[in-house]
Amino acid sequence: RKEVEQDPGPFNVPEGATVAFNCTYSNSASQSFFWYRQDCRKEPKLLMSVYSSGNEDGRFTAQLNRASQYISLLIRDSKLSDSATYLCVGNAGGTSYGKLTFGQGTILTVHP
Amino acid sequence: SQTIHQWPATLVQPVGSPLSLECTVEGTSNPNLYWYRQAAGRGLQLLFYSVGIGQISSEVPQNLSASRPQDRQFILSSKKLLLSDSGFYLCAWSHPSGQFFGPGTRLTVL
Repeated sequence: RKEVEQDPGPFNVPEGATVAFNCTYSNSASQSFFWYRQDCRKEPKLLMSVYSSGNEDGRFTAQLNRASQYISLLIRDSKLSDSATYLCVGNAGGTSYGKLTFGQGTILTVHP
Repeated sequence: SQTIHQWPATLVQPVGSPLSLECTVEGTSNPNLYWYRQAAGRGLQLLFYSVGIGQISSEVPQNLSASRPQDRQFILSSKKLLLSDSGFYLCAWSHPSGQFFGPGTRLTVL
């Protein structure tokens, strides 16, 4: 079983829609999690950090459920510019200085 | 502010040739540095990480090696490239809020 698993999608949604991605992790020692977005042929860029039960930043909300070992990312009022691959990332080291484990990514396409 | 540089941006090399990719970080001291590879259509795989000058940890056995000759310089090398070494190579550094990536080097081995 992979340490971090995501639904690869693709998710195709219209502008203005709300979309949610789920991610599960197998390492119960994982302390912190991150969501990155990666545009085609570009480097991943940090979107949100998730250290406790959740985090919200504008249209983006990340939630962490340690009992069920899953993390979610909710995007409200989708924009065309949200089209990208979203990477779920776990860190068993307890801080960002540890080694990260990346999911395969979920592809999102927002259409007009 | 901190910035991370990688070069070259793209590289096409024949099988059996050597490789040297460079990564440098500005605006921070004694960073933890990482090399990742992303093969086509696949996730990121951690190759090496370094917590200081001369300190390298390898995550997977492979045809590659890494060195850290200076505090903010991280080099990825190979003596003889294989076809399977093709991919997108990313350098990253750590910050309390997460890891931040350089722009990457896209390597094609023919």
